[in-house]
Amino acid sequence: KAGVTQTPRYLIKTRGQQVTLSCSPISGHRSVSWYQQTPGQGLQFLFEYFSETQRNKGNFPGRFSGRQFSNSRSEMNVSTLELGDSALYLCASSPGLAAETQYFGPGTRLLVL
Amino acid sequence: AQSVTQLGSHVSVSEGALVLLRCNYSSSVPPYLFWYVQYPNQGLQLLLKYTTGATLVKGINGFEAEFKKSETSFHLTKPSAHMSDAAEYFCAVTNAGGTSYGKLTFGQGTILTVHP
Repeated sequence: KAGVTQTPRYLIKTRGQQVTLSCSPISGHRSVSWYQQTPGQGLQFLFEYFSETQRNKGNFPGRFSGRQFSNSRSEMNVSTLELGDSALYLCASSPGLAAETQYFGPGTRLLVL
Repeated sequence: AQSVTQLGSHVSVSEGALVLLRCNYSSSVPPYLFWYVQYPNQGLQLLLKYTTGATLVKGINGFEAEFKKSETSFHLTKPSAHMSDAAEYFCAVTNAGGTSYGKLTFGQGTILTVHP
């Protein structure tokens, strides 16, 4: 099976802009989780989608949003970008039951100038 | 709430030496524990996981970890380090409860350096 894919791999934006990141899960997986990784805060959970519904959400401001499509592909959007949003954004997929193994994509590295 | 503490942000060993990366967790419900490895400019790769049952878990690349409930620990070991083991390692916890759907709580990571 193909692994989790994320596009784009690298992105440069300026403050105030918005950005959309995409994640395609492993075939058959219905759950997609998103994480932000920064040197200062480490790996932090953003949100999780299952069958087009957000099931869980981390402690991030409303500027961070996501959605999932019927084919389980997911997108996350960050509006009004701030310098502190510069990070590696990772998505992970799993079949969808609680506590199942998550398989990670290579990430999208976002730089906000 | 769950949390993970990884003792030692940097660990350095010689090639062929024992690798020991420490992880302690906090959880009010039975935990599910994971170790992931991250190579530069890559995502996270699963090394091993503990769900229920046998407390000694074997993973890929010769790594293993032992779940010790009394010590709330899940330390990662490898008998003999290889140069290719140099990477950052993350311990993570979740549980089977509804509030944990899709959510892993990670430790801060340990960078492993292997010297020739």
